[in-house]
Amino acid sequence: EIVLTQSPGTLSLSPGERATLSCRASQSVTSSYLAWYQQKPGQAPRLLIYGASSRATGIPDRFSGSGSGTDFTLTISRLEPEDFAVYYCQQYGTSLTFGGGTKVEIK
Amino acid sequence: EVQLVESGGGLVQPGRSLRLSCAASGFTFDDYAMHWVRQAPGKGLEWVSGISWNSGRIGYVDSVKGRFIISRDNAKNSLYLQMNSLRAEDTALYYCAKGGYNWNDAFFGWGQGSLVTVSS
Repeated sequence: EIVLTQSPGTLSLSPGERATLSCRASQSVTSSYLAWYQQKPGQAPRLLIYGASSRATGIPDRFSGSGSGTDFTLTISRLEPEDFAVYYCQQYGTSLTFGGGTKVEIK
Repeated sequence: EVQLVESGGGLVQPGRSLRLSCAASGFTFDDYAMHWVRQAPGKGLEWVSGISWNSGRIGYVDSVKGRFIISRDNAKNSLYLQMNSLRAEDTALYYCAKGGYNWNDAFFGWGQGSLVTVSS
């Protein structure tokens, strides 16, 4: 099983700042089959990024994904108030697993 | 617009069974893989099970193998999860999620979840 480790656990930032979230895999992720999801309290997760770097439909371009192999990054270029949430990475190349999540909170 | 509506959750005693359903609309159901994902209270996401468009490929997380059975009825645009021998650690919000054309794909749509509580 591929284990995904997300860091940091919590990121405290102010609106307008840049957020950089990390997702590290215990072994190489097949074909960059890596996705990122956003979850707000009381809501279902929402797909942001798939294939490591492709934005899902309707996702603003301030969200970007990068990486390959075992190291992946989600970047939010300028945080908007609605971006404060929990973010999960997921690999779907070898079975399916999620990371433990990174909470982006208002500083 | 993708709509996924889960039902069937509730309070159940350890060792008993429960069947979750997911009604899909807004897309061609029999073109896509479908999945169940759960989230224990205050915890992260865990993939539970998935099924390909034609039921030809099915997978489970190790912790539910032999206890849970996923199925789908393409004529009814519905996904199911039969949960047997339930344990306290199965307590979670269970989401139905729409996959892609292929098994190896992200989850492009999610329902609002159905809460399963296993307790005596």
